[in-house]
Amino acid sequence: DQQVKQNSPSLSVQEGRISILNCDYTNSMFDYFLWYKKYPAEGPTFLISISSIKDKNEDGRFTVFLNKSAKHLSLHIVPSQPGDSAVYFCAARRSGTYKYIFGTGTRLKVLA
Amino acid sequence: DTAVSQTPKYLVTQMGNDKSIKCEQNLGHDTMYWYKQDSKKFLKIMFSYNNKELIINETVPNRFSPKSPDKAHLNLHINSLELGDSAVYFCASSQGLAGGVGNEQFFGPGTRLTVL
Repeated sequence: DQQVKQNSPSLSVQEGRISILNCDYTNSMFDYFLWYKKYPAEGPTFLISISSIKDKNEDGRFTVFLNKSAKHLSLHIVPSQPGDSAVYFCAARRSGTYKYIFGTGTRLKVLA
Repeated sequence: DTAVSQTPKYLVTQMGNDKSIKCEQNLGHDTMYWYKQDSKKFLKIMFSYNNKELIINETVPNRFSPKSPDKAHLNLHINSLELGDSAVYFCASSQGLAGGVGNEQFFGPGTRLTVL
């Protein structure tokens, strides 16, 4: 029962261009979403979050967009840098719970 | 100075053995978690403790037992290890129950468990 899906296992982008990572979910009760970045041999690190009452949240080069009707969120990185090369996980929390459901991740490679 | 640390980083053991993974956080957080990342890269929560009280206990075999001696530590004991237990186990912590700005989860580097 994969409630959070990241359908692109990998993505390559040129340095300086925009990276768009996508995440789809199935449960309309999800009310909070996060993006994590993970480097090899390290644990995930929190990147940015968005509440279901918003449709956009921005933090520097990172912007998360939420489309509740489509049950879709995306992470935009502009401009992309080689140091952004990592695996990106999206996670969603069901309203009234403390448990996050994670996607399987998208490996981003930013080419210099 | 590592915020969330786990030991060991790698653990190779035989089926049937009993092993423990230790986790410590120096962030002053009151909530700690164990996650399992399997071969398909799914990161799934196993347990969560808030102020040393178990608050999340997913459908996990009872061979897995978390123990929280204090708020800064959450250890994971696994009895009678099976091949399917091979995975990367991540410990995490947060201030308060995860969710919302300011109480995001901080993850440790993971422990790769291989059961032969």
